[in-house]
Amino acid sequence: GAVVSQHPSRVICKSGTSVKIECRSLDFQATTMFWYRQFPKQSLMLMATSNEGSKATYEQGVEKDKFLINHASLTLSTLTVTSAHPEDSSFYICSARDMGAGGTYGYTFGSGTRLTVV
Amino acid sequence: AQSVTQLDSHVSVSEGTPVLLRCNYSSSYSPSLFWYVQHPNKGLQLLLKYTSAATLVKGINGFEAEFKKSETSFHLTKPSAHMSDAAEYFCVVSSGTSGTYKYIFGTGTRLKVLA
Repeated sequence: GAVVSQHPSRVICKSGTSVKIECRSLDFQATTMFWYRQFPKQSLMLMATSNEGSKATYEQGVEKDKFLINHASLTLSTLTVTSAHPEDSSFYICSARDMGAGGTYGYTFGSGTRLTVV
Repeated sequence: AQSVTQLDSHVSVSEGTPVLLRCNYSSSYSPSLFWYVQHPNKGLQLLLKYTSAATLVKGINGFEAEFKKSETSFHLTKPSAHMSDAAEYFCVVSSGTSGTYKYIFGTGTRLKVLA
């Protein structure tokens, strides 16, 4: 089945630095990827939709300049948290859309990245 | 607009007893519905999905869910809970057309399995 690899699984960074998170589709091409943020004991909130070769579409309230998304190839999307602050500490999860059996879309999730900003 | 409501934030069951996690949805048209499971600090794993085929959907690990249009429900069940089932469960409804497809997550239900 479809596999999405997300790296790193955990990262600790100092306040003011930038952190890049990678999301790769390993055995399929993903024209569309999604980035979610999850606060402790809460649900997933969609941050942005990443489309290969074009600008990402951000959800209302998500700062585009703070959360930079690049989807330069059909198998890789990156999320860069710029000038990170402690309030950016969270669990970030990506998902990729793949064409499954029967011509229906499926969504496969990465294993998530725990970001801690100190 | 599409939305999904998980009626219980926490559910506790004893090992070997049935599991029922409730989910109600709202959709302007025929929805696609999903159940995902998340173990601590892990990503999401698809348990099962409904996409307008059979209303009773069987998933992995013995879970199943029944789509009831008249009740706008998609409750998740399992006949006998196992300790390894303890996790967070999310009900998800899809939204939009093929060009703007999004997932809308419920708030989650934390399942606790007692020995």
